[in-house]
Order: sequence, then C-alpha cells, then structure tokens
Amino acid sequence: DARVTQTPRHKVTEMGQEVTMRCQPILGHNTVFWYRQTMMQGLELLAYFRNRAPLDDSGMPKDRFSAEMPDATLATLKIQPSEPRDSAVYFCASGPGRQHETQYFGPGTRLLVL
Amino acid sequence: AQSVTQPDIHITVSEGASLELRCNYSYGATPYLFWYVQSPGQGLQLLLKYFSGDTLVQGIKGFEAEFKRSQSSFNLRKPSVHWSDAAEYFCAVVHTGGFKTIFGAGTRLFVKA
Repeated sequence: DARVTQTPRHKVTEMGQEVTMRCQPILGHNTVFWYRQTMMQGLELLAYFRNRAPLDDSGMPKDRFSAEMPDATLATLKIQPSEPRDSAVYFCASGPGRQHETQYFGPGTRLLVL
Repeated sequence: AQSVTQPDIHITVSEGASLELRCNYSYGATPYLFWYVQSPGQGLQLLLKYFSGDTLVQGIKGFEAEFKRSQSSFNLRKPSVHWSDAAEYFCAVVHTGGFKTIFGAGTRLFVKA
C-alpha cells in the first residue's frame, strides 16, 4: 500500500534552531505539496513542486522557510531560524502530476518551538 | 478569487442518525470539488470527488455528495453515522487546469452514543 512518509513525526526544538522536515512522496508521483495546519489558520498551502521544480511558494515566509526537492524521492522543508509561531503540524502531500488531481497526504510532522 | 466556505465549525450527531455537512464555493467556472477526512493525528484522506457528469457522487465509507451549481454547493451526506466517523472534514476546490487546492476551514464531527 503506497503512502507518503514524513520524518520526523514529532519535533520539539528551541527558538532559533534550524528545523528540517523530510517527505518521501509516493513512487511515481511528480507533484509535491507542503501544508501547515494550525488551529487559528487551518490548512495553509506553503509551497508545491512539479517534476521537482517549484511552481508556487507564495504561501511560505521567504526569510526563514525554504523548500527543496533534491531528487524525486525526497522533499525537504527547512525553517531557519525557528520561532514559537512556527509551531504547527506540517503535512506533505503528493499527486500523480495531473491537473486537478487527488492529493495523498502524509501523517504530518508535529513541530513545537519553545 | 476562489474560496471555500464550510459554515459549521463543528457538528454533533447521534450514532445512527443522518449527517449533512455543508460546503459552498466561490468560483466562476465549474470547479473540481473534493471532500477529505482527517482522523485525529493523521493526514487527510480523500472521501470523494466531483469533476463532471452525475452530480451525485459516491465515496468511501458510505459517504455521498451532491453538486448543485445553482447553489454553489457541494454538501456531504451519510444516511447513518458510525462512531468511527468522528473526525474533521474538509471541502476543497481546484480550479480548471490547476494544481493548487483551496481547502475550507473544516467541520469537526462529533458522534454521541
């Protein structure tokens, strides 16, 4: 049963530290999405990629966040430096690369910045 | 701009009762519509989707949704709710030719015995 994997599942860190979250999309999928979920803001799209190229990262704070796809099997989301307001659940989702497609979500990384 | 509105933040129903979760969208053309479900501590899972054709679509776990263009709605229904349906439900829209999905704020469903 193919699924999106995310690591770590939980992360507690102190303000100012670098945080790296990883995502392995479903094999063969070539679109990858990063979302952030909080109680106040709900589900926010941070960035998405198609064929490893960023299509839209307008939802991402550029000064501290960066997203990359070093290869087709790995997507990363980095926060440097982290702040308490970054505390949230970060989801990665992948899709087969067709327009208006279903997205397959990973289990999320729960981040707490103290 | 596209938007999705889920008017109910939370709903409580008794086990065995029927359920309807509301969703309204704002979009000029025919949208591509989705319902996802999120169980506690997990990612979102697709319940059903509408692209074209029959306006009543069937999904997994006994859910169905009806697209009503005149009302700009895509409400989710289930005739008999089970305790395991307690979760958060998200309506979503993707515009024609696009990849970017716009999610509603979600409706949390509580099921009482």
